[in-house]
Amino acid sequence: QLVQSGADIKRPGASLRLSCTASGYTFRNYYIHWMRQAPGQGLEWMGVLDPSDGGTHFAQSFQGRLSITSDTSTATAYMELSSLRSEDTAVYYCAREKVVYHALDMWGQGTVVTVSS
Amino acid sequence: AIQMTQTPSSLSASVGDRVTITCRASQGIRNDLAWYQQKPGQAPKVLIYGASNLQNGVPSRFSASGSGTFFTLTISSLQPEDFATYYCLQNNDYTWTFGQGTKVEVK
Repeated sequence: QLVQSGADIKRPGASLRLSCTASGYTFRNYYIHWMRQAPGQGLEWMGVLDPSDGGTHFAQSFQGRLSITSDTSTATAYMELSSLRSEDTAVYYCAREKVVYHALDMWGQGTVVTVSS
Repeated sequence: AIQMTQTPSSLSASVGDRVTITCRASQGIRNDLAWYQQKPGQAPKVLIYGASNLQNGVPSRFSASGSGTFFTLTISSLQPEDFATYYCLQNNDYTWTFGQGTKVEVK
């Protein structure tokens, strides 16, 4: 399973760091993706991490303020988003990619993030 | 970046109805597309991968087809538990893109 860190409230301009801890499978063998969903809106793909080598790819809209890393010793992936604004208020999800099939077959429970002054 | 246009944005249907949702890609993506179902307050769940392959445990009333730029998801006989929002997700290149979603509501 994937267990995400708890809800967070941030001020505009601050940075956010969320965690996603995996269990029950070999962490290095599956990519980890991050998505978000603003209130009442659709899903937005943010980026992906290969835990085996730390390689990442990000959506163009997040270039420069998104970082995804991992600690393989604790099977935890981290998503850091900087320069937060009110539009970053959303539920953030991590998910595991079954690489052969390119399917996100295991999801975290989601983390509610509110950005407000 | 590849854009995904999903239609309709919402539809009203009754139990037993046949429902079809479409996704169009802004450029060819071969069969690099998956479909997800999301219910309120829950994380999404994968239904279909590789454009037409049913994920283990997903009922056979769900089917999908397509390649290149045009894809469809069909629910052959809508069940009460199928009222949800459905998303396509392209995985053709290094950056993925969701469709806008289709909310399937009770008629």
